[in-house]
Amino acid sequence: QKEVEQNSGPLSVPEGAIASLNCTYSDRGSQSFFWYRQYSGKSPELIMFIYSNGDKEDGRFTAQLNKASQYVSLLIRDSQPSDSATYLCAVIRGSYIPTFGRGTSLIVHP
Amino acid sequence: DGGITQSPKYLFRKEGQNVTLSCEQNLNHDAMYWYRQDPGQGLRLIYYSQIVNDFQKGDIAEGYSVSREKKESFPLTVTSAQKNPTAFYLCASSIGLEGKGLKGETQYFGPGTRLLVL
Repeated sequence: QKEVEQNSGPLSVPEGAIASLNCTYSDRGSQSFFWYRQYSGKSPELIMFIYSNGDKEDGRFTAQLNKASQYVSLLIRDSQPSDSATYLCAVIRGSYIPTFGRGTSLIVHP
Repeated sequence: DGGITQSPKYLFRKEGQNVTLSCEQNLNHDAMYWYRQDPGQGLRLIYYSQIVNDFQKGDIAEGYSVSREKKESFPLTVTSAQKNPTAFYLCASSIGLEGKGLKGETQYFGPGTRLLVL
């Protein structure tokens, strides 16, 4: 059973802090890892993708992948209230069909 | 502007009625997908199509049907067999099999259709 697990939250952080979102997956053959952001009532939008072990940075966002431990995380530096949303982790094995986690709700309070 | 459109934004279904949700894309993507999202839940795959005139069942296909007669269009019909259809329905597309690497796998989502039962 392919599964992607995320803590549903909510994760509450103060403005300016680092928010850390985690995702674990069960299929060791997984190859591609994506983070999507979804505002309430809206559709998901891509934030970042990562393929290789290690860190990948894009502006305030850093994705971290550890295939040996089967987890991928997303760090948001200098969190802003506009970052308040649900963050979905998606994992692809190789068929281009993603498996999504349930998402983690992030609240950034002023 | 390139993108994915879904209509209607809200749809009301009477008991025993079939309803069809529209999804159109002008991104020239080969692959298209339908997801269902319930409150507080992630996305569950209903159907997907990686090429015209071909589609595959996802994890929760029962009570739904699709067609893919044109590359740009992937309509979803919610049949009367789907006993609990109230949900947020999302259509997505990706470059697909021809786009090797991450570009072929990134999903682009439409704005969604919220289906309610009367």
